[in-house]
Amino acid sequence: DIVMTQSPLSLPVTPGEPASISCKSSESLLSSNGFHYLAWYLQRPGQSPQLLIYLGFSRASGVPDRFSGSGSGSDFTLKISAVEAEDIGIYYCMQTRHTPFTLGQGTRLDI
Amino acid sequence: HVQLQESGPGLLKPSQTLSLTCLVSGDSVNMKNGPYSWGWIRQSAASGLEWIGHLYIRGSPEYNPALRSRVTISLDTSRRQFFLNLASVTVADTATYFCARYTDYDQEAFDVWGPGTDVIVSS
Repeated sequence: DIVMTQSPLSLPVTPGEPASISCKSSESLLSSNGFHYLAWYLQRPGQSPQLLIYLGFSRASGVPDRFSGSGSGSDFTLKISAVEAEDIGIYYCMQTRHTPFTLGQGTRLDI
Repeated sequence: HVQLQESGPGLLKPSQTLSLTCLVSGDSVNMKNGPYSWGWIRQSAASGLEWIGHLYIRGSPEYNPALRSRVTISLDTSRRQFFLNLASVTVADTATYFCARYTDYDQEAFDVWGPGTDVIVSS
């Protein structure tokens, strides 16, 4: 199984300041079509996960442009350019390159 | 705008079979067409988020090897529902279970999730 490792596990932030979360996979997530099968999700308290980023860098519908994804191979980053109060929750990366699909442990973003 | 809603028993005893239903709603829902698979993911304090499996209408199901011997995912497109059966449950299967839509080709991600349903396994 591909192991997904996120860091940090907890990230205190100040509204208006940037934030960055790292996700590393134990194998490359690059597919033969040139895309990385890596997604980012936000789970707000009491809610189900919400898709933020897919294929490593594409924002899902309705996701504010302060969220951006980058990276390649087995090293990926989610960045928030200026944190807002509604961004609080737990962020997960998920690989869908190989089954079983696997997720990181989560990064808790706190104000 | 597609929406998903899980339903099923909240409490089971060890060795019983967990059966959950996910209702798919929305104006343009067509489970038979499009690059969609329909799947289940669970979340527990012990294991975090865990992919259980998913099923594409024109393909074979994909299951987590850790659960493959006990899990079945099926569809009823006429009723806009899909199902999870997990046999021989133990306390370790206590979790919140989410149904989700997986979009292939240009996303390769679970883009729509249900709110989740809590399942407790206890004697």
